[in-house]
Amino acid sequence: DIVMTQSPDSLAVSLGERATVNCKSSQNVLYNSNNQSYLAWYQQRPGQPPKLLIYWASTRKSGVPDRFSGSGSGTDFTLTISSLQAEDVAVYYCQQYYGAPYTFGPGTKLEIK
Amino acid sequence: QVQLQESGPGLVKPSETLSLTCTVSGDSISNRRYYWVWIRQPPGKGLEWIASMYYSGSTYYNPSLKSRVTISVDTSKNQFSLRLSSVTAADTAVYYCAKQITGTTLDYFDYWGQGTLVTVSS
Repeated sequence: DIVMTQSPDSLAVSLGERATVNCKSSQNVLYNSNNQSYLAWYQQRPGQPPKLLIYWASTRKSGVPDRFSGSGSGTDFTLTISSLQAEDVAVYYCQQYYGAPYTFGPGTKLEIK
Repeated sequence: QVQLQESGPGLVKPSETLSLTCTVSGDSISNRRYYWVWIRQPPGKGLEWIASMYYSGSTYYNPSLKSRVTISVDTSKNQFSLRLSSVTAADTAVYYCAKQITGTTLDYFDYWGQGTLVTVSS
């Protein structure tokens, strides 16, 4: 199985400031045939289901605010929120879909400082 | 926009079988671009993929649960279902159904249901 790790476990950021979440996969999730990294990011607000934010490591889902961005390739990935808003308080998960079993990171809890 | 809604008992006794159904609206479960998925989340913990199923019956299971899991699809009702046998307290979780994009590979989960809490207790 591909093991996903995230850092930090939790993060407190002031409103309007930048938040950065890191994700690492135990194996390369980049397919050479299409040069795509099979990595997604999800946001889970309290009491809500996860919501897809980013796929192919850096493609923002339609309707997701452009303050959310994803970067990275291979085994190391980053989710960045450029200017934190109050509604961004949530747990953020990375997930690999390179191969089954599809696995998630343990989550990073983002709070307001 | 597709919507998914889980339904089923919220309480299951140990050693019995958990059964849930996901009703899909806003799109056809026979759409060739999608797989249909079950994912669970124990209270206060992370996410675990259970299984993915195509409308035709092609299925992928998490090896950690495969021996106890059956998923099925009912295209006439636009529903798919999960059965998890021999449950224990460790199976207590919020169970989500979701839609998985597929092309040449199985890809990301783009829409999720609201989830249903299933508690295993006598």
